[in-house]
Amino acid sequence: ILNVEQSPQSLHVQEGDSTNFTCSFPSSNFYALHWYRWETAKSPEALFVMTLNGDEKKKGRISATLNTKEGYSYLYIKGSQPEDSATYLCAFPNYGGSQGNLIFGKGTKLSVKP
Amino acid sequence: GAVVSQHPSRVICKSGTSVKIECRSLDFQATTMFWYRQFPKQSLMLMATSNEGSKATYEQGVEKDKFLINHASLTLSTLTVTSAHPEDSSFYICSARDRFGTGSGENNEQFFGPGTRLTVL
Repeated sequence: ILNVEQSPQSLHVQEGDSTNFTCSFPSSNFYALHWYRWETAKSPEALFVMTLNGDEKKKGRISATLNTKEGYSYLYIKGSQPEDSATYLCAFPNYGGSQGNLIFGKGTKLSVKP
Repeated sequence: GAVVSQHPSRVICKSGTSVKIECRSLDFQATTMFWYRQFPKQSLMLMATSNEGSKATYEQGVEKDKFLINHASLTLSTLTVTSAHPEDSSFYICSARDRFGTGSGENNEQFFGPGTRLTVL
């Protein structure tokens, strides 16, 4: 059974702080790693799909890195703003089971105080 | 682009009633949609895979007669919770893969609805 772990479970930071959190996933049979940002009452929004070891992707103040050999990805937020408050999910495609569903971590809930 | 709607967003019902949840891809066609469920403090867990024009595939432990899935068109899948009981209270969310997009490749990009909070009294 594939397992995706995220840490920390929650994070409280002040506006302007930079922060990062971790996603750990099985390093064998790697296909891709997805990051989503999920605000309350909205649809999870895709941030990044990462496929190559050593990949680094950036979207505004948010960036992510990928290490497929050791099975982890970091998400960084530079200069956090209140609008960054959301739950950040990472997910791993399950090709061993159904037709490509995603296996999710429990998420990291970020709260940014003004 | 790539918007998925889900209705209703919230439903409260009495035990024994049936509840239908709709998932629509608004600006793309989806041959495959996934239904997930999330209990408090848990991760999103796949319940079933909905395939247009064919029977859904259910995950182990999910009763197909209780959670009826219909994917009659390329833009609509419905999940009906039949004879709902309090233990079915949960957050249900669908996702869809774009038939012609990158989701058909190894990246498996999916687009999510906003979810439905079901409370069974």
